[in-house]
Amino acid sequence: NAGVTQTPKFRILKIGQSMTLQCTQDMNHNYMYWYRQDPGMGLKLIYYSVGAGITDKGEVPNGYNVSRSTTEDFPLRLELAAPSQTSVYFCASSAPSEETQYFGPGTRLLVL
Amino acid sequence: TQLLEQSPQFLSIQEGENLTVYCNSSSVFSSLQWYRQEPGEGPVLLVTVVTGGEVKKLKRLTFQFGDARKDSSLHITAAQPGDTGLYLCAGATSGTYKYIFGTGTRLKVLA
Repeated sequence: NAGVTQTPKFRILKIGQSMTLQCTQDMNHNYMYWYRQDPGMGLKLIYYSVGAGITDKGEVPNGYNVSRSTTEDFPLRLELAAPSQTSVYFCASSAPSEETQYFGPGTRLLVL
Repeated sequence: TQLLEQSPQFLSIQEGENLTVYCNSSSVFSSLQWYRQEPGEGPVLLVTVVTGGEVKKLKRLTFQFGDARKDSSLHITAAQPGDTGLYLCAGATSGTYKYIFGTGTRLKVLA
């Protein structure tokens, strides 16, 4: 039972480069979320989705884009990487019938 | 902007001591969750509280939701080194699917 998987685990980007962080869940959850966590801090919501084709902004969406073409996948796109985007990124999913969010292991991103 | 403030930010205690972590907001939440996160991993849900005044127990952990559903507390009895980690509260407002996370409390329990 894989749950929520994220790739890559770690990445170093140069300023101005772009990349996509992948997130896949195999629990058939409608809701999916992207958070970022800066060192020693809580999580901030970047984007979320309540189903395929539906996405909405969270607290800190600037510099990011998402898409949700399938129930399983919720990729996060960084178009022009900036040092301020150095962080750990977590993807999570949940079902409408329960409050529990299931988190992936995270992607550590360093922008230099 | 909704904020969830946790206190204390850091806590270092000896094994066997008791402790309480607080999660406070000026906003009303329809539910509030507590998570524990270990280094290099994602947060793992400990409990969800939904009713004002609700108290839930999970072994040595006691969670309480404030009567007005604006605050919550986590009390650990006889802390053990295995309780070490980052404790996060997260709240959701009625009619939304967005969770606001607290600032976190980093707990270290020394053997």
